[in-house]
Amino acid sequence: DVKVTQSSRYLVKRTGEKVFLECVQDMDHENMFWYRQDPGLGLRLIYFSYDVKMKEKGDIPEGYSVSREKKERFSLILESASTNQTSMYLCASSPGLAGTWGEQFFGPGTRLTVL
Amino acid sequence: AQSVTQPDIHITVSEGASLELRCNYSYGATPYLFWYVQSPGQGLQLLLKYFSGDTLVQGIKGFEAEFKRSQSSFNLRKPSVHWSDAAEYFCAVGAQNDYKLSFGAGTTVTVRA
Repeated sequence: DVKVTQSSRYLVKRTGEKVFLECVQDMDHENMFWYRQDPGLGLRLIYFSYDVKMKEKGDIPEGYSVSREKKERFSLILESASTNQTSMYLCASSPGLAGTWGEQFFGPGTRLTVL
Repeated sequence: AQSVTQPDIHITVSEGASLELRCNYSYGATPYLFWYVQSPGQGLQLLLKYFSGDTLVQGIKGFEAEFKRSQSSFNLRKPSVHWSDAAEYFCAVGAQNDYKLSFGAGTTVTVRA
């Protein structure tokens, strides 16, 4: 079974803090993704990575950065947390292109509250 | 770019009744379609996927979906729902030469006894 783990299930931070969300997958997948999930908006892609040290912006990258130093680990960084970044953050991984082995495997999510 | 619309925000169904969730996609070429389920407090789990071939796709937990190109739809069905089917359901579309998936806004299903 593919396992995607996220470092925290719940996180409370203060405005202006630097926040790190960690994601690890154990199936040697090439691709990793960070989404935020908000009621009525579904999942919106923040960043994704198709290889170590490679990253591409998704639909809503503003206020976020990412790091992928090892294949199994993908970190999401909030440089200076703001209250509008309060959300559920989901990490996912996939072995290839959407049209081949494109299904994504998701972690349990991190619910981040910024006060 | 591809996109997905799930017209129903919330559906309530009685236990044992049938369920159908609607999904409409927008994409010019052959779409790759997925249905995911998210139980409360959990991540997303893949129910089924359509890449090519038979347009009626069987998935886990007794779900099936039918791809209709003429209607740009990929509706999810279950003949008889169980209380454990109460969850949020997401439809997603991908393109052949892309890593990314586009997700719909989700449909929340409530099951009443």
